[in-house]
Order: sequence, then structure tokens, then C-alpha cells
Amino acid sequence: DTGVSQDPRHKITKRGQNVTFRCDPISEHNRLYWYRQTLGQGPEFLTYFQNEAQLEKSRLLSDRFSAERPKGSFSTLEIQRTEQGDSAMYLCASSSGTGGGSNYGYTFGSGTRLTVV
Amino acid sequence: GQSLEQPSEVTAVEGAIVQINCTYQTSGFYGLSWYQQHDGGAPTFLSYNALDGLEETGRFSSFLSRSDSYGYLLLQELQMKDSASYFCAVMGYGQNFVFGPGTRLSVLP
Repeated sequence: DTGVSQDPRHKITKRGQNVTFRCDPISEHNRLYWYRQTLGQGPEFLTYFQNEAQLEKSRLLSDRFSAERPKGSFSTLEIQRTEQGDSAMYLCASSSGTGGGSNYGYTFGSGTRLTVV
Repeated sequence: GQSLEQPSEVTAVEGAIVQINCTYQTSGFYGLSWYQQHDGGAPTFLSYNALDGLEETGRFSSFLSRSDSYGYLLLQELQMKDSASYFCAVMGYGQNFVFGPGTRLSVLP
């Protein structure tokens, strides 16, 4: 297993366009998380899945954001009608989430850097 | 809700010991975690504390006091490669980590 993969690494889009990002987690991890990070800040929680079920979504997440995890494997994050304020690094992470201790630790992907112009 | 506080910057010299503190407020508590992030890289997991006390992993140790809502990361024998941002993160009832604002550690030769 090569870890958590995210695609694309970079995305430049015009304001108002829709974008979709993909995340492939570590195969034996049943939990998958999406975070957003801007320069100089900590990662900000967006949403998470346990298997295919979306268990929590941040109240900060507008209706323009949607995430899916069909069949409990890869996940996609879509942003509709992008705004300049959406420019950030979008990070995906996975964890096994069970057994305690280091199993709660996240393995992050390298992220997708979104620039909205 | 949850909130975390940590110093914005810390500077130390190679070979020294540095402690990065974290205080938190959370509704429900499962554990406190620490992550390291180099510029341009992804956060990497360092430690997780669910119970009070000190956990040691090589040069890094992490401490938790649940009664004080406080933890710290201790880095010993600092190396230049330790220059990075360090984030504390708390897991509450939401079963996801909420991250602090980060502490930028600069290690000087």
C-alpha cells in the first residue's frame, strides 16, 4: 500500500466553475476525512466517512460542498460555483479508527491545492 | 464546540530540548494528538494520548493532563530537520480531530 493518494495535486479554476477532487485512502482504513488548510493555519475539518456512511459534516461547510464515498473505498469532494475564498489546500486523511492509541492517528495525503481566480 | 491554543512560534538551537504546550476546550474528550508538518508537506502523525501521563517515542514525548485540559509535546536532542509546524489536535464526541493553529518551530545551528 502506498498510503493516501489525492488527485489532482494542483487545480486552478475560474470563479463559478465546479471542481471535483479524488482521494484513495489506505485500503484497510475504514475512516476517511476531508480537511481544508490555508496558509499558516491548522487543518479545518470538513467531513468524514466510516465506510460509505457520511457521519459528520462541519457546520462551516456550505451547501456548495458535497462529498461521497461509494462502496466505502475512494472518496470525492465536489465544490460547486467556486469562490475565491475556496482557495486552499484540501487534505484527505484515513485511519482505522479502532483499537485505540496510534490507530486513531490519521495518515494524510499530499493534498490538492485549489486556486480560484 | 472545541478550541485549542498553542504558541505561534518557538525557536531553539540544535541539540536542545523544547516543549510545545497546548490547552484545549472541548465538549467530550477522547484523546489528544500531535502532528508535524514541514513546509509544503502533509501533516504526519506523531502521538496520541488518551490517558494522563507521558508517552515516549524516541526523541519525542507527549504529555496529557485531562483535569487541566493541557498537553505538551517534548522534543529532545533537536535536529535541523525538526524545523516544522507542530499541531495539537483533540478528538471529542465528534470522533474527528479538531486541530490547533499550529506552532512553528525553528531550530538554529
